Amino acid sequence: DSGVTQTPKHLITATGQRVTLRCSPRSGDLSVYWYQQSLDQGLQFLIQYYNGEERAKGNILERFSAQQFPDLHSELNLSSLELGDSALYFCASSVGGRALSGELFFGEGSRLTVL
Amino acid sequence: GQQLNQSPQSMFIQEGEDVSMNCTSSSIFNTWLWYKQEPGEGPVLLIALYKAGELTSNGRLTAQFGITRKDSFLNISASIPSDVGIYFCAGIDDYKLSFGAGTTVTVRA
Repeated sequence: DSGVTQTPKHLITATGQRVTLRCSPRSGDLSVYWYQQSLDQGLQFLIQYYNGEERAKGNILERFSAQQFPDLHSELNLSSLELGDSALYFCASSVGGRALSGELFFGEGSRLTVL
Repeated sequence: GQQLNQSPQSMFIQEGEDVSMNCTSSSIFNTWLWYKQEPGEGPVLLIALYKAGELTSNGRLTAQFGITRKDSFLNISASIPSDVGIYFCAGIDDYKLSFGAGTTVTVRA
């Protein structure tokens, strides 16, 4: 158990819909990272928040947005969903603002299926 | 983001065999990492490498940070059934951790 909690574990929805994925980082971790893992692909970095502020942005679509709240939990909002958005979405956390040590602790992921 | 090329994409190995996989990049990384992902779980850090030429072991796992800082390899010795999973290399460039596409390892008993 990494200490990172993600909900929901599974989500099935239709094209055009909007969903929200939630992440609670490990106790004491200030940074939250979101990654997308599609079939046969590696982990694509989406976005990082540190202590409530956006720190780094990766290949995140404009239809997607995220935020980190004062209690440090984070939400990833996916809107106008397309079939290609079906993927496993991982949240990870770390103590500091930079992934310098690589010690990111990953949650178990939220599997999104868009029909 | 950075492009990491990981090979092989998949491998079937006999229990007891040694396994090797590698990762290359067109750009320099300051840190190379190896993660393992088991079914239904998130990736877990196996080994972190911080210096060019560094060779680090973690049990039956050994990884090296290439001299050019553009490559790394991971060896698994005497593989066992619980080595099954997807192994990802990753590189750190400033704030971002970029992952390779993964090597899927399946062990034949």
